[in-house]
Amino acid sequence: QKEVEQNSGPLSVPEGAIASLNCTYSDRVSQSFFWYRQYSGKSPELIMSIYSNGDKEDGRFTAQLNKASQYVSLLIRDSQPSDSATYLCAVNGRNTGNQFYFGTGTSLTVIP
Amino acid sequence: DTAVSQTPKYLVTQMGNDKSIKCEQNLGHDTMYWYKQDSKKFLKIMFSYNNKELIINETVPNRFSPKSPDKAHLNLHINSLELGDSAVYFCASSQDPAGRGEQFFGPGTRLTVL
Repeated sequence: QKEVEQNSGPLSVPEGAIASLNCTYSDRVSQSFFWYRQYSGKSPELIMSIYSNGDKEDGRFTAQLNKASQYVSLLIRDSQPSDSATYLCAVNGRNTGNQFYFGTGTSLTVIP
Repeated sequence: DTAVSQTPKYLVTQMGNDKSIKCEQNLGHDTMYWYKQDSKKFLKIMFSYNNKELIINETVPNRFSPKSPDKAHLNLHINSLELGDSAVYFCASSQDPAGRGEQFFGPGTRLTVL
């Protein structure tokens, strides 16, 4: 079982719609959860971090964490073509030696 | 100023050669990392250094040897390059050695082994 799993997609949504990206993780004691965005040919950049159960909102982005279900998601409201990228979920936990594990990423395309 | 920089950006070389990739960060972070991203976009940690000391050494061939001359630099030397080493290598840094905080990534080095 992989430490972090994501649907690879591709996920296509029309402009203005809500894009929903999902991630599950295997380490039950994971403490820190991150969403990175990676444009083609570029490096990953952090868009959201979340550490406790519930929702965290930042502009058009909302991260949701459910530790009991070992599930973290990212919602992108009012999706824009500039949101088209690969979204990487990353998880850190004590049992993993304090290192990040990344998922394989979900490719999102926002159609104008 | 670039926060995390890597050189070179592209590296094309023949099998069996030895090459190095350099990384520097000017963020004042104590922890630096090397990641490998393969053609399927899977980003996997290779090494982590905290204040010049190795703290994570994932299962990578011993042909890969990181070196940290100071906490702002983490270089990666690769001996006897193989076709399977072709990938994009990212350097990253963070303030928190426990990995709880944001990691800042360099622009990547695309290595092609022919």
